[in-house]
Amino acid sequence: ILNVEQSPQSLHVQEGDSTNFTCSFPSSNFYALHWYRWETAKSPEALFVMTLNGDEKKKGRISATLNTKEGYSYLYIKGSQPEDSATYLCAHPGYGNKLVFGAGTILRVKS
Amino acid sequence: KAGVTQTPRYLIKTRGQQVTLSCSPISGHRSVSWYQQTPGQGLQFLFEYFSETQRNKGNFPGRFSGRQFSNSRSEMNVSTLELGDSALYLCASSWGRDRPTEAFFGQGTRLTVV
Repeated sequence: ILNVEQSPQSLHVQEGDSTNFTCSFPSSNFYALHWYRWETAKSPEALFVMTLNGDEKKKGRISATLNTKEGYSYLYIKGSQPEDSATYLCAHPGYGNKLVFGAGTILRVKS
Repeated sequence: KAGVTQTPRYLIKTRGQQVTLSCSPISGHRSVSWYQQTPGQGLQFLFEYFSETQRNKGNFPGRFSGRQFSNSRSEMNVSTLELGDSALYLCASSWGRDRPTEAFFGQGTRLTVV
């Protein structure tokens, strides 16, 4: 994998459903993997910066896991709420503070 | 602590003109990066400045340039605007130098070229 790839492209779920999405990234020379949430009309906001293989991070109902050997990360949302509706981006750092972003997963939660 | 501030928020320019966008990072952050988002495209990296030096440049034509001042504020300039330059331009500030740290984004400047 040369680029950062995210799937699915979009997801529509009902309030209360749990959901997850995938980010695939180059596994060689791994440094870190970032997850951001971008709500409409707002700025992208960092959720997690993950650096260790097997790392699992949690913020409220959102959690993420990391597998650096195979080059993927999962983001889980438990009990989705309408306020979770956003675009979820993952990014792989390049040199310096450059971030290479995936295209994102658009999540819509219906109440 | 004030966040990242971008001005202006919206801009309409005519093809062939030039434009300057401004970004004020979080106090203490010395790194400012710029990104472009066009419809159907993800965030594309333009360039990064750290302590007034450009350390990184994305795959954009030379019409796109930038600079950073001693107070870490950054400007991005696009000359000879084309219709395809219509986009949301985001800047992000970080405190890290050698290790990529969490980026804090501004709300962006929406540029429309007519």
